[in-house]
Amino acid sequence: GIQVEQSPPDLILQEGANSTLRCNFSDSVNNLQWFHQNPWGQLINLFYIPSGTKQNGRLSATTVATERYSLLYISSSQTTDSGVYFCAVYSGGGADGLTFGKGTHLIIQP
Amino acid sequence: SAVISQKPSRDICQRGTSLTIQCQVDSQVTMMFWYRQQPGQSLTLIATANQGSEATYESGFVIDKFPISRPNLTFSTLTVSNMSPEDSSIYLCSVVAGGQTEAFFGQGTRLTVV
Repeated sequence: GIQVEQSPPDLILQEGANSTLRCNFSDSVNNLQWFHQNPWGQLINLFYIPSGTKQNGRLSATTVATERYSLLYISSSQTTDSGVYFCAVYSGGGADGLTFGKGTHLIIQP
Repeated sequence: SAVISQKPSRDICQRGTSLTIQCQVDSQVTMMFWYRQQPGQSLTLIATANQGSEATYESGFVIDKFPISRPNLTFSTLTVSNMSPEDSSIYLCSVVAGGQTEAFFGQGTRLTVV
């Protein structure tokens, strides 16, 4: 099956800093999503981005499908940005769901 | 996006017992899935819940341990059977609406088996 690798696995930043999270995938995809898992375990949809660039406030994402990677940018980090960020892909070809990366654990210190 | 209600939100269960988790969506959806997240780990797909027929299970998951029902387009249940402490995880329901590929998740059920 498709492989999804995220980097870095852990990231500790000061409030106000910027960060870039990376997601590499091993095959072509029909869907790529970024999620933020809050401390209560809830998955929040950040971006649905199988290709191209999107922005939502301080967050933006870019997926280069031909090179099989996606980047999530967080600018002017706030303590509420802390949590785990997951990249997940759907490669199609059946009724299977998303394949998740192992996540990036982000800690924003005040 | 669809509103997904998952119940219970958390539970503490005795080993050897079973727990049924419910997932209710406020609109008809094409696909419903169940995922497991073990402590400190990523999410793993358990199965696709198929309306009116047996679920499609991923490798490593079997119907006897994780029976799934989906009687209609808006509701599904996952049962965790004969539980052991290794079943302690967050279980999440996910849906995809018709004609779309973006997935949305319920708030999860945090299960602790003692």
